[in-house]
Amino acid sequence: GQNIDQPTEMTATEGAIVQINCTYQTSGFNGLFWYQQHAGEAPTFLSYNVLDGLEEKGRFSSFLSRSKGYSYLLLKELQMKDSASYLCAGGGSYIPTFGRGTSLIVHP
Amino acid sequence: DAGITQSPRHKVTETGTPVTLRCHQTENHRYMYWYRQDPGHGLRLIHYSYGVKDTDKGEVSDGYSVSRSKTEDFLLTLESATSSQTSVYFCAISESLAGGNEQFFGPGTRLTVL
Repeated sequence: GQNIDQPTEMTATEGAIVQINCTYQTSGFNGLFWYQQHAGEAPTFLSYNVLDGLEEKGRFSSFLSRSKGYSYLLLKELQMKDSASYLCAGGGSYIPTFGRGTSLIVHP
Repeated sequence: DAGITQSPRHKVTETGTPVTLRCHQTENHRYMYWYRQDPGHGLRLIHYSYGVKDTDKGEVSDGYSVSRSKTEDFLLTLESATSSQTSVYFCAISESLAGGNEQFFGPGTRLTVL
């Protein structure tokens, strides 16, 4: 299956900007998703990238570089409610493979 | 929010007993999935369905079976539960497998096998 790699944990300060990186194998790539998951809840969709470049949605943006097998999720003006796990998912199959998730802790 | 429910939401059972988890959707989506989520492993696909009576295995299918007799219901069965199957199980649905088609997840079932 697809190898999806992302950091296990990150911390950031309220009001700051944080970038969560994700790398994947480039063979047979079929798009990359980002999901948000609050503790004890279900994952919810944030973004999808299939072409190179930056997609912006309010405070959240997602970037993709297909040639480098690299994506990042950028969160601006961090709020306490952004404390959650962020799951990168993608791969060559039509059913994306999920990374292990990055736990983001936002502190005052 | 997508109409997707799971039952039961919590279950404690003993090793060797059969367990069935139910996923129900009201969105008429074609694709349904069962995942398990464990610390350090993320979400792993157990089985998925691409239509009524059409199912296929995911990466961690051993010890699990599924059935889909109606569009709206997807059942996951553990024939003989083991402690290694203690996990949080999520059902998901999607309209298609075309690029960019997001998955909608149910609230999850926390299963403990003693």
